[in-house]
Amino acid sequence: DAGVTQSPTHLIKTRGQQVTLRCSPKSGHDTVSWYQQALGQGPQFIFQYYEEEERQRGNFPDRFSGHQFPNYSSELNVNALLLGDSALYLCASSSGQNYGYTFGSGTRLTVV
Amino acid sequence: KQEVTQIPAALSVPEGENLVLNCSFTDSAIYNLQWFRQDPGKGLTSLLLIQSSQREQTSGRLNASLDKSSGRSTLYIAASQPGDSATYLCAPGDSGNTPLVFGKGTRLSVIA
Repeated sequence: DAGVTQSPTHLIKTRGQQVTLRCSPKSGHDTVSWYQQALGQGPQFIFQYYEEEERQRGNFPDRFSGHQFPNYSSELNVNALLLGDSALYLCASSSGQNYGYTFGSGTRLTVV
Repeated sequence: KQEVTQIPAALSVPEGENLVLNCSFTDSAIYNLQWFRQDPGKGLTSLLLIQSSQREQTSGRLNASLDKSSGRSTLYIAASQPGDSATYLCAPGDSGNTPLVFGKGTRLSVIA
């Protein structure tokens, strides 16, 4: 049973560019959440998608946007990249609050 | 707003020691609490999920307890091994659809 799959694993972008990160949830999961983790910090919640709608959003600017597809996979888009956007981006999937979250291996984004 | 604190921030122990990692959270209205392990630059691996109705969960050498009323959870690792070296994160799951909130974790080093 495949867990959460994220692509790409690593990415280097230039300031001002745009980036798209992708996530396929664990089989049977219908909710996808995205987190940003800076070095030495805990993951920070960006937003959560359920039934193709953004259900919750953390304290991130509108430059961060997302999408969920009918097959429950999801994309995270970041526009006008800043150096401070360099981080590990984690995708987590879940199905109901009582069953816990499954995380992917993350995408390491470096903005230069 | 849920806030999570993990003590200690870092811990270095010789191989074979039993150890306890502490997690405290401010809002006790939680559905469950999940402990994760994170290797450097990698994603989060779920270790244990404790439901709010449970007092503890065990998996191999790991035992997690939950005292919901006092807002505390502990992760006990028995007979530590160098392979246990990682950062350990706890995340209480609030009621409803509120996403996971993380602290900064405890960075554990087990010395052979």
